[in-house]
Amino acid sequence: GQNIDQPTEMTATEGAIVQINCTYQTSGFNGLFWYQQHAGEAPTFLSYNVLDGLEEKGRFSSFLSRSKGYSYLLLKELQMKDSASYLCAVDNTDKLIFGTGTRLQVFP
Amino acid sequence: DTGVSQDPRHKITKRGQNVTFRCDPISEHNRLYWYRQTLGQGPEFLTYFQNEAQLEKSRLLSDRFSAERPKGSFSTLEIQRTEQGDSAMYLCASSLDSWDGNTGELFFGEGSRLTVL
Repeated sequence: GQNIDQPTEMTATEGAIVQINCTYQTSGFNGLFWYQQHAGEAPTFLSYNVLDGLEEKGRFSSFLSRSKGYSYLLLKELQMKDSASYLCAVDNTDKLIFGTGTRLQVFP
Repeated sequence: DTGVSQDPRHKITKRGQNVTFRCDPISEHNRLYWYRQTLGQGPEFLTYFQNEAQLEKSRLLSDRFSAERPKGSFSTLEIQRTEQGDSAMYLCASSLDSWDGNTGELFFGEGSRLTVL
């Protein structure tokens, strides 16, 4: 079976740091993606991890542990525009399987 | 605009009617995916094409759903005899072939929102 778990909602304050966790159990695994989706808009690519470790990209970083079936997305120096849903997706060889998404609300 | 485009953006229909959505992928992308997304959920995989070949279809997909990509460029998704449970956002995405067999980054369209009354 395919199981990808993320918290449903999170809140944080502008300027803070937030970590969004994702755990997965899938029949195939070739890597893990994080996408951002603002309400009513298309998902847009944030990061991709295929090897264990941390990938840093400006204010956003993503971590992967393949042995633990675990990833997180770290958002630093939060801005109001970071209020969105964050989708964890497993590369299942020929398609992406998405989690339910984490809705992040950033408050001033 | 060279992104993924979908048409129509919104469709309201009565239960039992047929609807068709169109997706134009990024021109050099030979993989095309259809996903369905309901409120508060992540995108759910429906089907995908490599060029004109439909390589996989979700087991959850009813036989009322059919997708085509006749010339390996644009694709259509048809839903026959719509039901209220079909109300969702239908997302199309495209990607390049990956030399290592991985999926690669998906580029999504804005989606087609279906409301079945």
